Amino acid sequence: DQQVKQNSPSLSVQEGRISILNCDYTNSMFDYFLWYKKYPAEGPTFLISISSIKDKNEDGRFTVFLNKSAKHLSLHIVPSQPGDSAVYFCAASADQTGANNLFFGTGTRLTVIP
Amino acid sequence: NAGVMQNPRHLVRRRGQEARLRCSPMKGHSHVYWYRQLPEEGLKFMVYLQKENIIDESGMPKERFSAEFPKEGPSILRIQQVVRGDSAAYFCASSQDRSAYNSPLHFGNGTRLTVT
Repeated sequence: DQQVKQNSPSLSVQEGRISILNCDYTNSMFDYFLWYKKYPAEGPTFLISISSIKDKNEDGRFTVFLNKSAKHLSLHIVPSQPGDSAVYFCAASADQTGANNLFFGTGTRLTVIP
Repeated sequence: NAGVMQNPRHLVRRRGQEARLRCSPMKGHSHVYWYRQLPEEGLKFMVYLQKENIIDESGMPKERFSAEFPKEGPSILRIQQVVRGDSAAYFCASSQDRSAYNSPLHFGNGTRLTVT
């Protein structure tokens, strides 16, 4: 049972434009959300997070939006750069306990075209 | 090197053999997690360890799989009598605190296990 879903396996965007990666979840108890980025042959690296007390969190070119009523979050990257080409994983948790309670999506492969 | 170290990077085993995957967490991190990633799938939690203790092994198959994190040395994920379905990328991650939100995970580069 996939509680965190990333329905777009891939996304291609022109350099300089906005990339929007989407994530949906089914468990209404989820309150903490994280995005990880993964390059080929490397492990995922933490990118940005948000908790349900906020609907937006920004860090440089990266912004995460949370719509709790729709059980949906999105990651915006603007402007997109070729180095952003990677697989992006969304993850969600109901509490602040261990990562054993963190559920990952299947990932979206972003390709930024120079 | 302060990152999470996993070895080997690639491991090829024949059906029925044993696979041992090693993970050294980041310095100062006492929480270790193992994840498995099958092709076209996300990361699936397997086991959570904290020095010498298994905290949660609910994601790990009951048969053939075991994990340890001894007082000295790396964490080991052991798969006995491997089958083709065990072929996957296995990632280890560590964190300083228990909260995955306040203390995001640091991942190693993974071990890609191929069972022939």
